[in-house]
Amino acid sequence: AQSVTQPDIHITVSEGASLELRCNYSYGATPYLFWYVQSPGQGLQLLLKYFSGDTLVQGIKGFEAEFKRSQSSFNLRKPSVHWSDAAEYFCAVVDMNTGFQKLVFGTGTRLLVSP
Amino acid sequence: EAQVTQNPRYLITVTGKKLTVTCSQNMNHEYMSWYRQDPGLGLRQIYYSMNVEVTDKGDVPEGYKVSRKEKRNFPLILESPSPNQTSLYFCASHQATERGGHGTQYFGPGTRLLVL
Repeated sequence: AQSVTQPDIHITVSEGASLELRCNYSYGATPYLFWYVQSPGQGLQLLLKYFSGDTLVQGIKGFEAEFKRSQSSFNLRKPSVHWSDAAEYFCAVVDMNTGFQKLVFGTGTRLLVSP
Repeated sequence: EAQVTQNPRYLITVTGKKLTVTCSQNMNHEYMSWYRQDPGLGLRQIYYSMNVEVTDKGDVPEGYKVSRKEKRNFPLILESPSPNQTSLYFCASHQATERGGHGTQYFGPGTRLLVL
């Protein structure tokens, strides 16, 4: 079965500094990958997705992610973090083994932004 | 506006008292699902539906029921809630692409449930 690992439970970044959130997946074929953000008390908002093609994908709010097949990774990056980016971030992969194609989520990384 | 709505947003109940959380989408999506979110566990799928009258178990279906009588609605039913069902619940919908790929899942705002 597909799985997603987000090795960092919490990350603290200074405002204005760069950010990289790690995500590793297990899947034999080309995966469908997503990053979602959940602000405190809010639902899940899609940041970006990768289905195929260019391995560097751009998302909303200045985020980008790079798909690296050799490393089974899909890390999320942002060059300059803003205080409003403090939230929980989830990486997810589509489980293609079922007809429904469900999402398998990582356990999330909580981002704290310091002044 | 394309959206998934859930009601109620917050619910406190007692053990054994049946409850229903409603979910509705206005995007004409065929696929809908329910997830629960627990600290340190991320989101786990409870049940899903691939179309009207077609539902199946996800990863954590125990204690839950669903129905899909209309395309837009996918209610989650807890016949006899227990404290271990205290959680944050999300409904989601998506449409598979024509090439058999995966459409983006859209999530509702969540329902926070506390079972005493």
